[in-house]
Amino acid sequence: KAGVTQTPRYLIKTRGQQVTLSCSPISGHRSVSWYQQTPGQGLQFLFEYFSETQRNKGNFPGRFSGRQFSNSRSEMNVSTLELGDSALYLCASSLTRRGRQETQYFGPGTRLLVL
Amino acid sequence: DQQVKQNSPSLSVQEGRISILNCDYTNSMFDYFLWYKKYPAEGPTFLISISSIKDKNEDGRFTVFLNKSAKHLSLHIVPSQPGDSAVYFCAASDGNDMRFGAGTRLTVKP
Repeated sequence: KAGVTQTPRYLIKTRGQQVTLSCSPISGHRSVSWYQQTPGQGLQFLFEYFSETQRNKGNFPGRFSGRQFSNSRSEMNVSTLELGDSALYLCASSLTRRGRQETQYFGPGTRLLVL
Repeated sequence: DQQVKQNSPSLSVQEGRISILNCDYTNSMFDYFLWYKKYPAEGPTFLISISSIKDKNEDGRFTVFLNKSAKHLSLHIVPSQPGDSAVYFCAASDGNDMRFGAGTRLTVKP
């Protein structure tokens, strides 16, 4: 079974631009969660989508948004990019809701650099 | 609000010895715990998990211990191998949310 895939793997943008990241979960998984990892930080939870609905949201500004499609694929959008948005963005999928006794499987991440 | 803490940012051990990575949590509602391993430029890989109804779970060289009264879990790697060098994250869930620690960088020296 194919794992979680994320595109693109690397991205360079300038301040003020917007960016869209894509995540394809493991086949059959309905939950997709997004995380931000910066140097020295753990995994900061952005949001979770389950059955095309946002179920949970972390403490990030409204510039960070996402959506999930009927095939469970998910996109994350960041508008008006700031230098501090430079990070590794990770997507994770699971069969059921994040937080249940269920393992999340991570994709390789998208490395975003904002100049 | 750090509900899951990994107080050691780094750990160095000799090949063949035991590696012990620690994790503390504050939320008594957490009932499922996981360990992930992360290599540079890759996503975290699931290693091992434990439910709160158990106090120990083994998988090959990896054993996770859970002490609910102390709100503490640990990951033991025996014997440690150079390929185990990575960042290890612990995570905890309460049925509704999942929290991650900041990670511990393990270096296994040949």
